[in-house]
Amino acid sequence: DAMVIQNPRYQVTQFGKPVTLSCSQTLNHNVMYWYQQKSSQAPKLLFHYYDKDFNNEADTPDNFQSRRPNTSFCFLDIRSPGLGDAAMYLCATSRAGQADGYTFGSGTRLTVV
Amino acid sequence: GESVGLHLPTLSVQEGDNSIINCAYSNSASDYFIWYKQESGKGPQFIIDIRSNMDKRQGQRVTVLLNKTVKHLSLQIAATQPGDSAVYFCAENTDYRDDKIIFGKGTRLHILP
Repeated sequence: DAMVIQNPRYQVTQFGKPVTLSCSQTLNHNVMYWYQQKSSQAPKLLFHYYDKDFNNEADTPDNFQSRRPNTSFCFLDIRSPGLGDAAMYLCATSRAGQADGYTFGSGTRLTVV
Repeated sequence: GESVGLHLPTLSVQEGDNSIINCAYSNSASDYFIWYKQESGKGPQFIIDIRSNMDKRQGQRVTVLLNKTVKHLSLQIAATQPGDSAVYFCAENTDYRDDKIIFGKGTRLHILP
């Protein structure tokens, strides 16, 4: 089945130690998104790629970076994780210009110790 | 700033009854709305969507109503089942060509036996 896959499901990292979360998709969607979701809150958009074009949200901290080496893969890099970065990180995809909702992955829950 | 919000953080409904989850949005330019269901530990799952040129759309056991006059959106779930227990988010897109969706705060639906 076509889907959005996030690895790992659970990630524990040390305070200040760089960590990378990955997302892959088999839907051939040209837009990919990263959301941060803290407990009992709505997902918050960090950035998205429209094809290779990177779009950062104005309030996304510089500590968060992203890479999209090809259509299928997108990575979220947290350069120096702080305790406040502990959250669920959700990857989503969509077809540009065809607002039919996003397809989300199951998320990666990040713990910072 | 403009945001999508929900009236009730928690809704308890008897199994078999109908559920109505409400959402208020503030951006009058929004032209596309989506309801998502999120179960514990999972990513949001698309339920139903509606464009601003419609006021009602029905799916399987779900109906979305849009009242643009008062900027109100609702999700109706018929014959609520235990599997409907989840957090429900409304989300809006101000321009489908923009491909960004803003989430509301979420309502937890609790099913009573």
